[in-house]
Parts: sequence; structure tokens; C-alpha cells
Amino acid sequence: DGGITQSPKYLFRKEGQNVTLSCEQNLNHDAMYWYRQDPGQGLRLIYYSQIVNDFQKGDIAEGYSVSREKKESFPLTVTSAQKNPTAFYLCASSIRQGNHEQYFGPGTRLTVT
Amino acid sequence: AQSVTQLGSHVSVSEGALVLLRCNYSSSVPPYLFWYVQYPNQGLQLLLKYTTGATLVKGINGFEAEFKKSETSFHLTKPSAHMSDAAEYFCAVSEGGGRGSTLGRLYFGRGTQLTVWP
Repeated sequence: DGGITQSPKYLFRKEGQNVTLSCEQNLNHDAMYWYRQDPGQGLRLIYYSQIVNDFQKGDIAEGYSVSREKKESFPLTVTSAQKNPTAFYLCASSIRQGNHEQYFGPGTRLTVT
Repeated sequence: AQSVTQLGSHVSVSEGALVLLRCNYSSSVPPYLFWYVQYPNQGLQLLLKYTTGATLVKGINGFEAEFKKSETSFHLTKPSAHMSDAAEYFCAVSEGGGRGSTLGRLYFGRGTQLTVWP
């Protein structure tokens, strides 16, 4: 079945450590997105990528980094510079950036203590 | 930038009652509109979308929504609530744009948590 996978489902890290969240899709979609979700705040866009080897900052990119070396993969690194990293992180993809709906992965819940 | 307002962060209904979740948006160009549903600790699933054409859009699980341009609204309804409808619902808007454009990204509302009482 085609879809988006995110791993792991739950992730725990100590403060000051970088951590990388995985996102893989086999939908052959060009565009991929990372969102952060906090209670009562909806989804906020961190980074997005329209095509391989290209990505742009979203609304809350500070303290995060991404890469897009392969079409199917869009990993997100939460760096130690991110002041409040504990959150639910969602990866999504769409056929291309534009007016098409986005398909979401199951999410990764990151807890930093 | 676009903005999406979902009126009511929590809505409670009895099983069998009408479900009405409100969404208003701001957009300077004709928007594309979406409703997503999220069950606890899961990703978002598309319920329905409006792009062009008929303003009353039917989605999965008996939900529908009507695009009202004059009111800049896209409210979600379901005639009869079921226990399985309990979830969080997100309205999203995408403005026009194509490949290579920064337009077309999705802007999400803050979500409405739907509780269904037996």
C-alpha cells in the first residue's frame, strides 16, 4: 500500500541533544512538508520541499533543519537550538505544491526532558 | 497570508444529533478548502475538499460542507452524529498557485474537538 511512514512513533531525548525524525513516502509525490502540532494551536509549518535538493522555511523553522536528497525521504532534525521541542510532529506530502490535498503520516511524538 | 478561524475549540453533541463545525477563512483569491479529521495520536485524514464547481461538497463518513463565498465560510455538517465521529477536526485553506510558487500551501485552523455523548 502507498503511504507515508514516520518513525519512531514515540521518541524521548535529553535536552541539548539533536534528534532526527524520519519521513518516507512511496506515493511518488514531489512536495513534502513538516508540521508541528501543539494542543490548541493547530498545525504550524516548519519546512517544506517542492522537489529534490530544494526546501524552504515555513513559519517556525528556527531550531530545525531538513534535507531532501531523495524524492521519497524528507528527514527533520530538531536541534538543541529549538527552545521548546516537545511536540507532535507530522509529515505530509502532496502530488506537487499547489492546490492538491496533503496526505499525512501517523506522526512522531517527541518528548525532551 | 491566509487565516482560518474555527469557531469553538470544543463541540459536544448527543449521538444522533446534528453536527455543525464552523470554519471561516480570509483569502484574497479564490481558495481551495479542506476539512481533515484527526483521531488521537494519529495523522490527519482528508474528509472532503472544495476546489471549484458545486459549492456543496460531500465527503467520507456522511460529512458534507458548503462553500459560501459571500460569508467566507466552509462549515462542516453531518445530519446524525455517531460515537465514532469523536475526534478533532481541522479546516484548512489553500490559495491559488502552481509549481514553483510559494502560493498553494495549506493554512490550518486551530481545530475543533468533537465529543459525542451516548
